Amino acid sequence: DAGVTQSPTHLIKTRGQHVTLRCSPISGHKSVSWYQQVLGQGPQFIFQYYEKEERGRGNFPDRFSARQFPNYSSELNVNALLLGDSALYLCASSLEGQAHQPQHFGDGTRLSIL
Amino acid sequence: RKEVEQDPGPFNVPEGATVAFNCTYSNSASQSFFWYRQDCRKEPKLLMSVYSSGNEDGRFTAQLNRASQYISLLIRDSKLSDSATYLCVVNQVGNTGKLIFGQGTTLQVKP
Repeated sequence: DAGVTQSPTHLIKTRGQHVTLRCSPISGHKSVSWYQQVLGQGPQFIFQYYEKEERGRGNFPDRFSARQFPNYSSELNVNALLLGDSALYLCASSLEGQAHQPQHFGDGTRLSIL
Repeated sequence: RKEVEQDPGPFNVPEGATVAFNCTYSNSASQSFFWYRQDCRKEPKLLMSVYSSGNEDGRFTAQLNRASQYISLLIRDSKLSDSATYLCVVNQVGNTGKLIFGQGTTLQVKP
């Protein structure tokens, strides 16, 4: 069975551009969460979606947005990119996004801002 | 104060050694706890959930002390392949999927 898949794997952008990252959850999983991981730190929560509804939002500016589609895949959008947005963006899925349910991560998208 | 704190290490140990990692969390109402493993430039992978009664999976033992808000991971008989960063993870209070990660503890097992 396929795990969580993310695309693209690597991306280079310049300041001010926008980017869309994509995630497909494990089959049967209805919840998708997005995390940002900068070098040397643990992942930081950005968003959680369940059944196409936003269930949680982390401490990120409004330049960050996301959505979930009827097939439970998800997109993360970042506008007006800043140098500080350079990071590994991770998508995780779980059955229903409940606290006790483990989350499984995709390989991530490595975003570099020049 | 960070919500989840870990000693970043690195911990350098010889093969066969026993090594223990500790983690503290700040929110006493937290209910779900995990250890994840992350290899260099890879995604985090679930190592084990942590329960109040403690749990063991082969060479790995996790303990939770709610009174002290303290989580531990013990690795016995370390292998070269155990070299990685170990992330202590706490779920946000309430039934949500927000995971709060520690900084991670780096383990290097040497021959």
